[in-house]
Amino acid sequence: GENVEQHPSTLSVQEGDSAVIKCTYSDSASNYFPWYKQELGKRPQLIIDIRSNVGEKKDQRIAVTLNKTAKHFSLHITETQPEDSAVYFCAASRGYQKVTFGTGTKLQVIP
Amino acid sequence: NAGVTQTPKFQVLKTGQSMTLQCAQDMNHEYMSWYRQDPGMGLRLIHYSVGAGITDQGEVPNGYNVSRSTTEDFPLRLLSAAPSQTSVYFCASSYGDGTGELFFGEGSRLTVL
Repeated sequence: GENVEQHPSTLSVQEGDSAVIKCTYSDSASNYFPWYKQELGKRPQLIIDIRSNVGEKKDQRIAVTLNKTAKHFSLHITETQPEDSAVYFCAASRGYQKVTFGTGTKLQVIP
Repeated sequence: NAGVTQTPKFQVLKTGQSMTLQCAQDMNHEYMSWYRQDPGMGLRLIHYSVGAGITDQGEVPNGYNVSRSTTEDFPLRLLSAAPSQTSVYFCASSYGDGTGELFFGEGSRLTVL
């Protein structure tokens, strides 16, 4: 089955700096790569996703890039704010079924 | 819309007891799934269903049963609880039409003594 590795496990940045989280996947047939944000004590919520026919997608301060050849994808957050502090999960799947998650990155934005 | 509703939010069990975690969604989602979340291990898929009457195993199915008799409900049964099943459980659903976004319930925190 699919295996998703995520790095780093923790990340501290100064407010206003950028944060980058990287993931690799094992199943070359995976074609859907979402990112979820989970605030403390809350449920995970989708923040951005990308499909295998797209190399990059941006939504305001958040962007994702996908390298299908290398089987890795990344989340970029620019101009970080304290409210960006949370745990971020990458995930991969074939279509919408059996979404496999990474182990999470705890992002701390220091004011 | 209530979205995805899970009950109970908290539960303490003794080893060997059985229980059912309830999950209901009112968004007419075809796809439903159960995950467990443990520190440092992310979200691991237990079971999933692509529609009423259809279920399949995920990554960590042992010790759990599911059924899907209606589109709305997807209960998770622990047959004989073990301390290793202490975790936070999330039910998640999606439209199943390729849009992909999972909508999560609030989670159920289970402790097995």
